[in-house]
Amino acid sequence: NAGVTQTPKFRVLKTGQSMTLLCAQDMNHEYMYWYRQDPGMGLRLIHYSVGEGTTAKGEVPDGYNVSRLKKQNFLLGLESAAPSQTSVYFCASRWVQYTGELFFGEGSRLTVL
Amino acid sequence: DAKTTQPNSMESNEEEPVHLPCNHSTISGTDYIHWYRQLPSQGPEYVIHGLTSNVNNRMASLAIAEDRKSSTLILHRATLRDAAVYYCILRDSGNTGKLIFGQGTTLQVKP
Repeated sequence: NAGVTQTPKFRVLKTGQSMTLLCAQDMNHEYMYWYRQDPGMGLRLIHYSVGEGTTAKGEVPDGYNVSRLKKQNFLLGLESAAPSQTSVYFCASRWVQYTGELFFGEGSRLTVL
Repeated sequence: DAKTTQPNSMESNEEEPVHLPCNHSTISGTDYIHWYRQLPSQGPEYVIHGLTSNVNNRMASLAIAEDRKSSTLILHRATLRDAAVYYCILRDSGNTGKLIFGQGTTLQVKP
């Protein structure tokens, strides 16, 4: 049981390049989330999804797009990367029935030069 | 979303209890109080949550004030592995389930 898996774990981009981060969960969770964490800061919610085919904006959605074509996968895209998007990105998921727990991935460290 | 206030940092000695406070004076009746922790270079990890009553699990205890405007996470015997950033978060009972993280409290545990 892998839980929440993020790929890639590390990536360096040049300004203006595009890329996609993949989050995959094998727990049949309905809800999935993308957060970013800047040095010394707490996590900020970028986008989230309450089910396959649905997405919604979080606190800091600008510059990012997401898709949830399959229940187990949540993709985060950067169409034109900027240095301000240098951060560690975390994916999380949970069941639709209320429980306390969000399950987080190990993070993806992105550097934009 | 209702806000929480936590001290930036706290220190504890190994094997002693630790009480991590959290103020949430604007909490609504349907907000659950959640605690997560983040070890260095890892994703956040669920610790405990509660609504009105005190809660215990294998990791910690959560003491909630009667007026729910504050709560305390209690680690009964701190170990070096408990050194982390601890986040107190309010989550409404609505369907989005989103958690809004604050700055958290950095806990140092001294041997």
